[in-house]
Amino acid sequence: EVQLLESGGGLVQPGESLRLSCAASGFTFSSYSMGWVRQALGKGLEWVSAIGSSGSPAFYTDSVKGRFTVSRDNSKSTLYLQMNSLGDDDTAVYYCAKGGSNGCREVDTWGQGTLVTVSS
Amino acid sequence: DVVMTQSPLSLPVTLGQPASISCRSSRSLVHSDGNTYLNWFQQRPGQSPRRLIYRVSNRDSGVPDRFSGSGSGTDFTLKISRVEAEDVGVYFCMQGTHWPYTFGQGTKLEIK
Repeated sequence: EVQLLESGGGLVQPGESLRLSCAASGFTFSSYSMGWVRQALGKGLEWVSAIGSSGSPAFYTDSVKGRFTVSRDNSKSTLYLQMNSLGDDDTAVYYCAKGGSNGCREVDTWGQGTLVTVSS
Repeated sequence: DVVMTQSPLSLPVTLGQPASISCRSSRSLVHSDGNTYLNWFQQRPGQSPRRLIYRVSNRDSGVPDRFSGSGSGTDFTLKISRVEAEDVGVYFCMQGTHWPYTFGQGTKLEIK
């Protein structure tokens, strides 16, 4: 069974940093693109970042470019999202997502999410 | 960014009756590889999203056959032939053709 387990969320102040992790199991992690999608409370879903199976290419939505960095460690079957200079608009549940047969274009599995709250 | 517009945003349905959700994109979702990357997801209360349909009309394993997807270009539809109680939740379309991939606002299905 495919499982994605996010961790690393929490409460931070504006301008601070946080690193999210996603531990994957139940599939050959190194063969699939992965990504991060966020959902602000009561709002819709937003793709944050995606990364190829080998670690490249990496894509970011405009609002996080230069602040967030996605990476992966295929030896540990783990996906990461380093988030710097966090602002109020980054408050959301962050979901780890597994790409399908055509990458994150066809994301097929989501984790349970980890809540990031940016507040002073 | 490609804007995905869903309608209706709220969908009260009587058990056993059909339901239909529309999803329109601001530009064609036909990719240069010939595929159309339009997905449908269901998000039950308190749960993470679950994919139902990929590439417009391909149903995922384990998804009841009362769910079907159709459409082309910029106009897509998710249909539920006979709504059951377990179908309550929010339904999202998502385009995977143009980065950043984008979602519809969501349609909240409830039992009337």
